Amino acid sequence: EVQLIQSGAEVRKPGASVKISCKVSGYTFTDYYLHWVKQGPGRGLEWVGRVDPEDAETKYGEKFQGRVTITADTSTDTSYMELSSLTSEDTALYYCATEEYSKGGCSFWGQGTLVTVSS
Amino acid sequence: AIRLTQSPSSFSASTGDRVTITCRASQDISHYLAWYQGKPGKAPKLLIYDASTLQSGVPPRFSGGGYGTDFTLTISRLQSEDYATYYCQQYYDYPRTFGQGTKVEIK
Repeated sequence: EVQLIQSGAEVRKPGASVKISCKVSGYTFTDYYLHWVKQGPGRGLEWVGRVDPEDAETKYGEKFQGRVTITADTSTDTSYMELSSLTSEDTALYYCATEEYSKGGCSFWGQGTLVTVSS
Repeated sequence: AIRLTQSPSSFSASTGDRVTITCRASQDISHYLAWYQGKPGKAPKLLIYDASTLQSGVPPRFSGGGYGTDFTLTISRLQSEDYATYYCQQYYDYPRTFGQGTKVEIK
């Protein structure tokens, strides 16, 4: 059974950074892309970026470029998303999700990690 | 970035209705489009990929169509569990982008 288990909720002050994790199981970590998706309160879905655990290649959304770093640790089958220079606009649920190379769309999702930015 | 525009943004429908949601891309994306169902407090669920392929385990009342710039998601007979927000996403190019969502509410 494929599972993506994310780290717990985080609270940060404006200007700080946050690093959240997504540990996968039930499949070979290097076989799927690992995406991160943001959902602000009452808002829609926003693509943050993705990593290819096979070669660590990353792609990022335009709004997050320069402020986000997504990594993949193949020794622990865990992906990390670090977001810096936080503002209240970064308050959201962040999901990790997998995409098979051979087909599009994200088939499996984590439970989400709530990041709250507040002074 | 490729822009996806969904219509309508929201609407009300009754159980048993046939409903169709449209997603228009700002450029040709071939068949590289997925549809998700979102519910409050739950992770999105993949319904359709490659514009028209039903994800394993998704009821056949859901169907997708279209190619190029115009796509549709149809629910043949709306069920109570289908009241949700639906999103399209393109994976033709990076950055990946989502539509703004279509909320289906109970009439």
